[in-house]
Amino acid sequence: AQKITQTQPGMFVQEKEAVTLDCTYDTSDQSYGLFWYKQPSSGEMIFLIYQGSYDEQNATEGRYSLNFQKARKSANLVISASQLGDSAMYFCAMRSTIIIQGAQKLVFGQGTRLTINP
Amino acid sequence: DVKVTQSSRYLVKRTGEKVFLECVQDMDHENMFWYRQDPGLGLRLIYFSYDVKMKEKGDIPEGYSVSREKKERFSLILESASTNQTSMYLCASSRDEDSNQPQHFGDGTRLSIL
Repeated sequence: AQKITQTQPGMFVQEKEAVTLDCTYDTSDQSYGLFWYKQPSSGEMIFLIYQGSYDEQNATEGRYSLNFQKARKSANLVISASQLGDSAMYFCAMRSTIIIQGAQKLVFGQGTRLTINP
Repeated sequence: DVKVTQSSRYLVKRTGEKVFLECVQDMDHENMFWYRQDPGLGLRLIYFSYDVKMKEKGDIPEGYSVSREKKERFSLILESASTNQTSMYLCASSRDEDSNQPQHFGDGTRLSIL
C-alpha cells in the first residue's frame, strides 16, 4: 500500500529564511506523482507544486521548489525567502496507482504546520 | 479558474440527524471526491465518483453515503450523524486522465455534531 509520511508536526521559522518541509513516501510503483498543497487557517487547499517520478528536473514554481530524491523516496518542499503569509498547514500527497474509470485517488500525509515569525 | 463550492463553511447538527453536505464544481470535471480531515491524520477519502450516478468507496465510507445526480454536483450524506463525525469535510474535483493535474478543492465545511 502507498503511504506518505510527514515527520514534522510543526515548524517555526524566521521571516525571510528558507524552510524545508519533509516528505517521504512508500510505493512499489515505478510511475507515480507527488503533490504539495497549502492550507491556510481559512481552510481552502491550495495546490503548490507537482513532481512526476520520471521528471528529470526538480519541479519549481516561484518561491517553491521540490527536492526530489528518488532513491531515498523523499520529496521535500523548499520555500525560499519565507513570508508571513506562508504560515499554514502543508500537505504532501501521492497519486494512487488505483485508477477507476479515469479517477485517481490521492494519498495524503499527516501535514506540517508552518509558522513564520516576524 | 476552477471553482469548487461547498454549500456551508460551518454547520452544527445534532446526534441522529440526517445531514447533507453539498458540493458544486464549474469546470465540467468527471471526477469528484469527498475527504474528511482530522488533526494528525491528514485527509482521508470517504467516497468518490467518476461519472453521474457512479460512486466508489474510499478508505472510510462507514456511516456515509453519496449522491451524484448531475455532473457538477456531489453530495455527502450522513445517514444518522454521530459525534465521531465531527470533522472538517473537503470536496475536490479533477479531470479524467490528467494524472499530473491536481485535484481542486473547495473551502471545506467544519461540521460539529452535538
